[in-house]
Amino acid sequence: EVQLVQSGAEVKKPGESLKISCKGSGYSFTSYWIGWVRQMPGKGLEWMGIIYPGDSDTRYSPSFQGQVTISADKSISTAYLQWSSLKASDTAMYYCARRGDILTGYAFDYWGQGTLVTVSS
Amino acid sequence: QSALTQPASVSGSPGQSITISCTGTSSDVGGYNYVSWYQQHPGKAPKLMIYEVSNRPSGVPDRFSGSKSGNTASLTISGLQAEDEADYYCSSYTSSSTLGVFGTGTKVTVL
Repeated sequence: EVQLVQSGAEVKKPGESLKISCKGSGYSFTSYWIGWVRQMPGKGLEWMGIIYPGDSDTRYSPSFQGQVTISADKSISTAYLQWSSLKASDTAMYYCARRGDILTGYAFDYWGQGTLVTVSS
Repeated sequence: QSALTQPASVSGSPGQSITISCTGTSSDVGGYNYVSWYQQHPGKAPKLMIYEVSNRPSGVPDRFSGSKSGNTASLTISGLQAEDEADYYCSSYTSSSTLGVFGTGTKVTVL
Protein backbone atom coordinates (compact mmCIF):
# COMPACT_ATOMS: atom_id res chain seq x y z
CA GLU A 1 0.00 0.00 0.00
CA VAL A 2 1.37 3.38 -1.03
CA GLN A 3 1.63 5.79 1.88
CA LEU A 4 3.05 9.26 2.43
CA VAL A 5 3.43 10.10 6.12
CA GLN A 6 4.27 13.68 7.05
CA SER A 7 5.85 15.03 10.20
CA GLY A 8 3.72 16.62 12.90
CA ALA A 9 2.41 20.11 13.41
CA GLU A 10 4.90 22.86 14.17
CA VAL A 11 4.62 26.17 16.03
CA LYS A 12 7.50 28.54 15.35
CA LYS A 13 8.46 32.17 15.80
CA PRO A 14 9.27 34.54 12.94
CA GLY A 15 12.89 34.24 11.90
CA GLU A 16 13.26 30.63 13.03
CA SER A 17 14.21 27.81 10.69
CA LEU A 18 12.16 24.70 10.02
CA LYS A 19 12.37 21.43 8.09
CA ILE A 20 9.30 19.23 7.64
CA SER A 21 9.32 15.75 6.20
CA CYS A 22 7.34 13.34 4.06
CA LYS A 23 8.19 9.62 4.22
CA GLY A 24 7.10 7.40 1.37
CA SER A 25 6.47 3.67 1.59
CA GLY A 26 4.89 0.91 -0.43
CA TYR A 27 6.48 1.90 -3.74
CA SER A 28 9.84 2.68 -5.35
CA PHE A 29 10.55 6.09 -3.80
CA THR A 30 13.24 6.96 -6.34
CA SER A 31 10.97 6.42 -9.35
CA TYR A 32 8.29 9.06 -8.72
CA TRP A 33 8.35 12.83 -8.31
CA ILE A 34 7.21 14.21 -4.94
CA GLY A 35 5.49 17.59 -4.91
CA TRP A 36 4.87 20.08 -2.11
CA VAL A 37 1.61 22.01 -1.95
CA ARG A 38 0.74 24.98 0.26
CA GLN A 39 -2.75 25.76 1.50
CA MET A 40 -3.04 28.96 3.49
CA PRO A 41 -5.98 29.23 5.91
CA GLY A 42 -9.24 29.33 3.97
CA LYS A 43 -7.43 29.46 0.62
CA GLY A 44 -6.71 27.22 -2.33
CA LEU A 45 -3.95 24.80 -3.25
CA GLU A 46 -0.65 26.26 -4.45
CA TRP A 47 2.02 24.30 -6.31
CA MET A 48 5.28 25.04 -4.51
CA GLY A 49 7.73 22.72 -6.20
CA ILE A 50 8.59 19.16 -7.00
CA ILE A 51 11.58 16.83 -6.64
CA TYR A 52 12.63 13.58 -8.30
CA PRO A 53 14.35 11.61 -5.52
CA GLY A 54 16.16 9.40 -8.03
CA ASP A 55 18.50 12.20 -9.06
CA SER A 56 17.33 15.13 -6.87
CA ASP A 57 16.14 17.12 -9.90
CA THR A 58 14.12 19.91 -8.26
CA ARG A 59 11.74 22.43 -9.81
CA TYR A 60 10.25 25.43 -8.00
CA SER A 61 7.23 27.56 -8.74
CA PRO A 62 8.45 31.15 -9.31
CA SER A 63 6.49 32.30 -6.24
CA PHE A 64 8.46 29.98 -4.00
CA GLN A 65 11.91 30.03 -5.62
CA GLY A 66 14.38 31.29 -3.06
CA GLN A 67 11.79 31.16 -0.27
CA VAL A 68 11.99 27.43 0.51
CA THR A 69 14.29 24.50 -0.18
CA ILE A 70 13.05 21.10 -1.30
CA SER A 71 15.29 18.09 -0.82
CA ALA A 72 15.15 14.32 -0.51
CA ASP A 73 17.10 11.52 1.14
CA LYS A 74 16.50 8.44 -0.95
CA SER A 75 18.27 6.21 1.56
CA ILE A 76 15.34 6.72 3.96
CA SER A 77 12.64 7.42 1.35
CA THR A 78 11.97 10.88 2.72
CA ALA A 79 11.40 14.26 1.10
CA TYR A 80 11.81 17.56 2.91
CA LEU A 81 10.60 21.13 2.78
CA GLN A 82 12.60 23.70 4.67
CA TRP A 83 12.71 27.37 5.53
CA SER A 84 15.75 29.28 6.77
CA SER A 85 13.79 32.21 8.20
CA LEU A 86 10.06 31.81 8.71
CA LYS A 87 7.54 34.62 8.31
CA ALA A 88 4.04 34.91 9.69
CA SER A 89 2.80 34.57 6.12
CA ASP A 90 4.24 31.03 6.01
CA THR A 91 1.43 29.92 8.32
CA ALA A 92 -0.36 27.25 6.34
CA MET A 93 -1.05 23.56 5.85
CA TYR A 94 1.61 21.90 3.73
CA TYR A 95 0.94 18.70 1.81
CA CYS A 96 3.32 16.39 0.03
CA ALA A 97 1.97 14.31 -2.84
CA ARG A 98 3.31 11.66 -5.19
CA ARG A 99 3.19 12.54 -8.85
CA GLY A 100 2.07 9.39 -10.61
CA ASP A 101 3.45 8.03 -13.84
CA ILE A 102 1.97 7.97 -17.34
CA LEU A 103 -0.61 5.41 -16.16
CA THR A 104 -2.23 8.12 -14.00
CA GLY A 105 -1.48 11.00 -16.34
CA TYR A 106 1.20 12.40 -14.04
CA ALA A 107 -1.47 13.41 -11.52
CA PHE A 108 -0.86 13.59 -7.79
CA ASP A 109 -2.25 10.14 -7.02
CA TYR A 110 -1.29 9.83 -3.34
CA TRP A 111 -1.19 12.57 -0.71
CA GLY A 112 0.27 12.94 2.74
CA GLN A 113 -1.98 13.89 5.65
CA GLY A 114 -0.61 17.43 5.78
CA THR A 115 1.65 19.31 8.20
CA LEU A 116 0.26 22.44 9.83
CA VAL A 117 2.88 25.14 10.28
CA THR A 118 2.00 28.08 12.52
CA VAL A 119 4.36 31.05 12.69
CA SER A 120 3.55 33.51 15.42
CA SER A 121 5.43 35.74 17.81
CA GLN B 1 3.07 30.70 -13.81
CA SER B 2 -0.54 31.81 -13.24
CA ALA B 3 -3.14 29.63 -11.58
CA LEU B 4 -5.81 28.09 -13.80
CA THR B 5 -9.15 29.92 -13.56
CA GLN B 6 -12.16 28.25 -11.94
CA PRO B 7 -15.49 29.69 -10.78
CA ALA B 8 -15.45 30.42 -7.06
CA SER B 9 -18.66 28.53 -6.40
CA VAL B 10 -21.20 26.25 -8.04
CA SER B 11 -24.35 24.88 -6.48
CA GLY B 12 -27.06 22.38 -7.30
CA SER B 13 -29.83 20.35 -5.79
CA PRO B 14 -29.53 16.63 -5.06
CA GLY B 15 -29.88 14.61 -8.25
CA GLN B 16 -28.99 17.51 -10.52
CA SER B 17 -25.87 17.83 -12.65
CA ILE B 18 -23.28 20.56 -12.27
CA THR B 19 -20.21 21.46 -14.29
CA ILE B 20 -17.04 23.18 -13.11
CA SER B 21 -14.80 24.85 -15.67
CA CYS B 22 -11.03 25.22 -15.57
CA THR B 23 -9.47 27.67 -18.00
CA GLY B 24 -5.79 27.84 -18.80
CA THR B 25 -3.62 28.52 -21.81
CA SER B 26 -2.01 26.66 -24.67
CA SER B 27 1.02 26.13 -22.39
CA ASP B 28 -0.96 24.02 -19.96
CA VAL B 29 -4.59 22.87 -20.34
CA GLY B 30 -4.73 23.45 -24.09
CA GLY B 31 -1.38 21.90 -24.85
CA TYR B 32 -1.58 18.60 -23.00
CA ASN B 33 -4.10 15.95 -22.02
CA TYR B 34 -2.73 15.87 -18.50
CA VAL B 35 -5.53 17.60 -16.65
CA SER B 36 -6.54 16.23 -13.27
CA TRP B 37 -9.22 17.07 -10.73
CA TYR B 38 -9.11 16.84 -6.93
CA GLN B 39 -11.83 16.84 -4.29
CA GLN B 40 -11.12 18.26 -0.85
CA HIS B 41 -13.46 18.02 2.11
CA PRO B 42 -12.90 20.40 5.04
CA GLY B 43 -9.91 19.40 7.13
CA LYS B 44 -8.92 16.61 4.76
CA ALA B 45 -6.18 16.10 2.22
CA PRO B 46 -7.13 16.42 -1.45
CA LYS B 47 -8.22 13.26 -3.28
CA LEU B 48 -7.64 12.51 -6.96
CA MET B 49 -10.97 12.23 -8.80
CA ILE B 50 -10.03 12.50 -12.49
CA TYR B 51 -6.72 12.16 -14.33
CA GLU B 52 -5.69 12.59 -17.95
CA VAL B 53 -8.77 14.75 -18.63
CA SER B 54 -11.41 12.04 -18.29
CA ASN B 55 -10.12 8.95 -16.51
CA ARG B 56 -11.36 7.92 -13.08
CA PRO B 57 -9.15 6.17 -10.53
CA SER B 58 -10.49 2.97 -9.06
CA GLY B 59 -13.17 3.69 -6.47
CA VAL B 60 -14.32 7.05 -7.83
CA PRO B 61 -18.05 6.97 -8.67
CA ASP B 62 -18.93 7.16 -12.35
CA ARG B 63 -21.12 10.21 -11.73
CA PHE B 64 -17.84 12.14 -11.92
CA SER B 65 -16.68 12.80 -15.47
CA GLY B 66 -14.18 15.08 -17.18
CA SER B 67 -13.72 16.64 -20.59
CA LYS B 68 -11.67 19.27 -22.39
CA SER B 69 -12.14 21.68 -25.25
CA GLY B 70 -9.33 23.98 -26.26
CA ASN B 71 -7.88 25.73 -23.23
CA THR B 72 -10.80 24.81 -20.96
CA ALA B 73 -11.31 21.59 -19.05
CA SER B 74 -14.51 20.67 -17.24
CA LEU B 75 -15.60 18.43 -14.40
CA THR B 76 -19.21 17.28 -14.39
CA ILE B 77 -20.93 15.74 -11.40
CA SER B 78 -24.13 13.98 -12.40
CA GLY B 79 -26.75 12.93 -9.87
CA LEU B 80 -25.37 15.29 -7.26
CA GLN B 81 -25.25 13.85 -3.75
CA ALA B 82 -24.83 15.47 -0.35
CA GLU B 83 -21.36 13.97 0.07
CA ASP B 84 -20.20 15.73 -3.10
CA GLU B 85 -20.25 19.04 -1.23
CA ALA B 86 -16.56 19.96 -1.13
CA ASP B 87 -13.90 22.08 -2.78
CA TYR B 88 -12.69 21.00 -6.20
CA TYR B 89 -9.38 21.87 -7.85
CA CYS B 90 -8.15 21.27 -11.35
CA SER B 91 -4.49 20.87 -12.21
CA SER B 92 -2.56 20.62 -15.43
CA TYR B 93 0.86 19.69 -16.67
CA THR B 94 2.62 22.78 -17.95
CA SER B 95 5.49 23.41 -20.30
CA SER B 96 7.07 25.65 -17.68
CA SER B 97 9.89 24.22 -15.59
CA THR B 98 7.60 23.77 -12.61
CA LEU B 99 5.84 20.89 -14.38
CA GLY B 100 2.39 21.74 -13.03
CA VAL B 101 -0.14 24.27 -11.82
CA PHE B 102 -3.39 24.19 -9.83
CA GLY B 103 -6.66 25.93 -10.45
CA THR B 104 -8.10 28.57 -8.15
CA GLY B 105 -10.62 26.14 -6.68
CA THR B 106 -14.42 25.84 -6.72
CA LYS B 107 -16.69 25.35 -3.74
CA VAL B 108 -19.55 23.02 -4.58
CA THR B 109 -22.67 23.42 -2.47
CA VAL B 110 -25.50 20.88 -2.47
CA LEU B 111 -28.69 22.81 -1.80
